[in-house]
Amino acid sequence: AQSVTQLDSQVPVFEEAPVELRCNYSSSVSVYLFWYVQYPNQGLQLLLKYLSGSTLVESINGFEAEFNKSQTSFHLRKPSVHISDTAEYFCAVSSNTGNQFYFGTGTSLTVIP
Amino acid sequence: DVKVTQSSRYLVKRTGEKVFLECVQDMDHENMFWYRQDPGLGLRLIYFSYDVKMKEKGDIPEGYSVSREKKERFSLILESASTNQTSMYLCASSIGQVWDTQYFGPGTRLTVL
Repeated sequence: AQSVTQLDSQVPVFEEAPVELRCNYSSSVSVYLFWYVQYPNQGLQLLLKYLSGSTLVESINGFEAEFNKSQTSFHLRKPSVHISDTAEYFCAVSSNTGNQFYFGTGTSLTVIP
Repeated sequence: DVKVTQSSRYLVKRTGEKVFLECVQDMDHENMFWYRQDPGLGLRLIYFSYDVKMKEKGDIPEGYSVSREKKERFSLILESASTNQTSMYLCASSIGQVWDTQYFGPGTRLTVL
């Protein structure tokens, strides 16, 4: 069975400061990892994903995440946040041995001017 | 761009009513999903479908049923709505492998009185 843990339910950060949103997973098989973002009053949209290859993946708006197999983590980072990054962020895990997605409980990022 | 639409943004129903939530995607995706999103619990999978007339239970199927008569449309049915089904319902679709990127609709906020 797979599961996803997002330890931080809320993360306030000042504008232009760095941020890290933590995600840990548990799985006995090879996994695929995703970060989704949900802006206020909108559905979720994919931010970035790791399927294979380079363990460092990047999004078009400056976020990056690194797959760390030994630590079973896929933390999301951004060196300098903007007001527009205020949103709910969800980590998700799946594998090709099962037909399900597992989402974390979400982290609410609030960027303070 | 992939577009996933849901029939209503807000819905208010009474206990015991039969409720239909409709989802339509316009990109010929094989897979469609229904989740509910609750504060502190993240997204939980109710049902998904990988082909017309095919369905599989997710983590919380009790009290729900689904219908997929056409590839582009996936309906969630609450046979007899209860107050504990008050929630945000999200529909998603994906192409190819079930475990790959999902595209989400804007959500339906259902309140059961």
